[in-house]
Amino acid sequence: IAGITQAPTSQILAAGRRMTLRCTQDMRHNAMYWYRQDLGLGLRLIHYSNTAGTTGKGEVPDGYSVSRANTDDFPLTLASAVPSQTSVYFCASSEGGHNEQFFGPGTRLTVL
Amino acid sequence: GQNIDQPTEMTATEGAIVQINCTYQTSGFNGLFWYQQHAGEAPTFLSYNVLDGLEEKGRFSSFLSRSKGYSYLLLKELQMKDSASYLCASSDSNYQLIWGAGTKLIIKP
Repeated sequence: IAGITQAPTSQILAAGRRMTLRCTQDMRHNAMYWYRQDLGLGLRLIHYSNTAGTTGKGEVPDGYSVSRANTDDFPLTLASAVPSQTSVYFCASSEGGHNEQFFGPGTRLTVL
Repeated sequence: GQNIDQPTEMTATEGAIVQINCTYQTSGFNGLFWYQQHAGEAPTFLSYNVLDGLEEKGRFSSFLSRSKGYSYLLLKELQMKDSASYLCASSDSNYQLIWGAGTKLIIKP
């Protein structure tokens, strides 16, 4: 692995189903983030983690949960998907503070 | 409140120069980032400014005025591959990024 990876690349999901988006980085970055990107809107922060074992809520956390059991992995779970969660989801990591964020390739999720 | 504004779309000619502006209102401002995002791809880092002034990196330069809440990204000698969206993001007191909606730059031959 080089950098940050996400899985799946894309997914079509029935409303009400549970879904976990995976994110793994091999850069040993402390901070990790989940964003959603919708047409005409900026990236919006869902949840973040400043270090393994801690998580925090971003701008749009409702309907999503995260965990950070170790440095490398930061999964995002939709407990019961709704159509408004149709979006492109990006995971990112950084050394923290004012350092740049590195983005994964994204997961395109469609909830029907 | 926290807010970022940038133009939705701009068009420029190959070989020319284009300036993409960004204004921000951010509590506890900790710097301004510019990212490039090609269609269907992830954002990639271009520049970071925390002090007033111009930072030059090859064909790309970024400027910041903290007193005016203003930044711009300057792209010189435009190439077709520069066709992309350019995202402005300000860092707040917790180092969280507040993102603009992006400026789609269209380069014409």
